[in-house]
Amino acid sequence: KQEVTQIPAALSVPEGENLVLNCSFTDSAIYNLQWFRQDPGKGLTSLLLIQSSQREQTSGRLNASLDKSSGRSTLYIAASQPGDSATYLCAVRLLNAGGTSYGKLTFGQGTILTVHP
Amino acid sequence: EADIYQTPRYLVIGTGKKITLECSQTMGHDKMYWYQQDPGMELHLIHYSYGVNSTEKGDLSSESTVSRIRTEHFPLTLESARPSHTSQYLCASSTGYNSPLHFGNGTRLTVT
Repeated sequence: KQEVTQIPAALSVPEGENLVLNCSFTDSAIYNLQWFRQDPGKGLTSLLLIQSSQREQTSGRLNASLDKSSGRSTLYIAASQPGDSATYLCAVRLLNAGGTSYGKLTFGQGTILTVHP
Repeated sequence: EADIYQTPRYLVIGTGKKITLECSQTMGHDKMYWYQQDPGMELHLIHYSYGVNSTEKGDLSSESTVSRIRTEHFPLTLESARPSHTSQYLCASSTGYNSPLHFGNGTRLTVT
């Protein structure tokens, strides 16, 4: 059974700091991995999706990396801003025996990020 | 900007009532999902659909049912609500397994 763990559970940083959020998973046979952002009382917004064959993806100030062999992904946020304050979740989609996916995502519990001015 | 809509946004009902949570998307996505999320906890998949007339149960045991008669509509029904059903319910959709998941803003259900 795939388990996804995110560390730290909460992080508070001053504005302008670069930071790294961590995600680890127990089964390395993944189809892809996604990072999401969730604002209080809202649904999730997809930030980055990394295919199993990729090592990283970038979007603006965000960079996500993937190391399947060690079961780890990191989300790097450059020059953090108060507007980045939210909960960040990672989710993995497992590979099935046929080389595709059953489609189900397994989520971590998230990292609550607070960026203070 | 969300193209996936959930109603109601908040719902407080008494035990034993039948309720339907609505989810609609305008993106033509084949795949749709229902997740349950308790405060501070991870999301758990309760139902999913690969397309019209296709529904499957997820990992979390649930007393709810779903239907998929039209591509854009994926309602979730609780025949008899209980306090243990109090939670946030999130609907999501995607075009395929290598495409990002799009989420609605959720329905926060409280059963008294």
